[in-house]
Amino acid sequence: EAGVAQSPRYKIIEKRQSVAFWCNPISGHATLYWYQQILGQGPKLLIQFQNNGVVDDSQLPKDRFSAERLKGVDSTLKIQPAKLEDSAVYLCASSSGTQPYEQYFGPGTRLTVT
Amino acid sequence: ELKVEQNPLFLSMQEGKNYTIYCNYSTTSDRLYWYRQDPGKSLESLFVLLSNGAVKQEGRLMASLDTKARLSTLHITAAVHDLSATYFCAAPKRIYGYALNFGKGTSLLVTP
Repeated sequence: EAGVAQSPRYKIIEKRQSVAFWCNPISGHATLYWYQQILGQGPKLLIQFQNNGVVDDSQLPKDRFSAERLKGVDSTLKIQPAKLEDSAVYLCASSSGTQPYEQYFGPGTRLTVT
Repeated sequence: ELKVEQNPLFLSMQEGKNYTIYCNYSTTSDRLYWYRQDPGKSLESLFVLLSNGAVKQEGRLMASLDTKARLSTLHITAAVHDLSATYFCAAPKRIYGYALNFGKGTSLLVTP
């Protein structure tokens, strides 16, 4: 079974530029998550989708971050404009929605904002 | 909202020794997860603990859950260098929810 795919793996941009990340979850997984992991910290949830609907985006900085999952499969996360403090690894995870609701993580995208 | 605290945050131990990592969470939870992360890598699921008193073991790692004390432990037996990594515990933000709140992680270094 293929795992969670993410691209790009690395991205370097200047502040105030925009950037987009892509995620393809495990086939059949209805729930998709985007986490932000700042160096030395645990992942922090940005947004959770159930199929193509948003379940939890309470910690998403909506003035600059947006995410969509149009057909209930792939998802994109966008930052516009980027700030220095957005430098982090962006992790995508998916789960089947059945017990024990285990989440499987992709390799992540490492973003550096200069 | 549930908060997760781990200790210690840094742990250096000799090969062959035993040690325990502690994970406390602030409100009632029906599940507790342990993940491992190697430098520059993603998170690998180690254990999912679903009930009070649950104990799971894989190799030199054993995890347990005490829901009454809101405490989970990850015990390392006879550590080897390959166990060097960062270990995270996580619990659902809300009971019966899916999204996880993570602790800050325990960075483990096993030395000869």
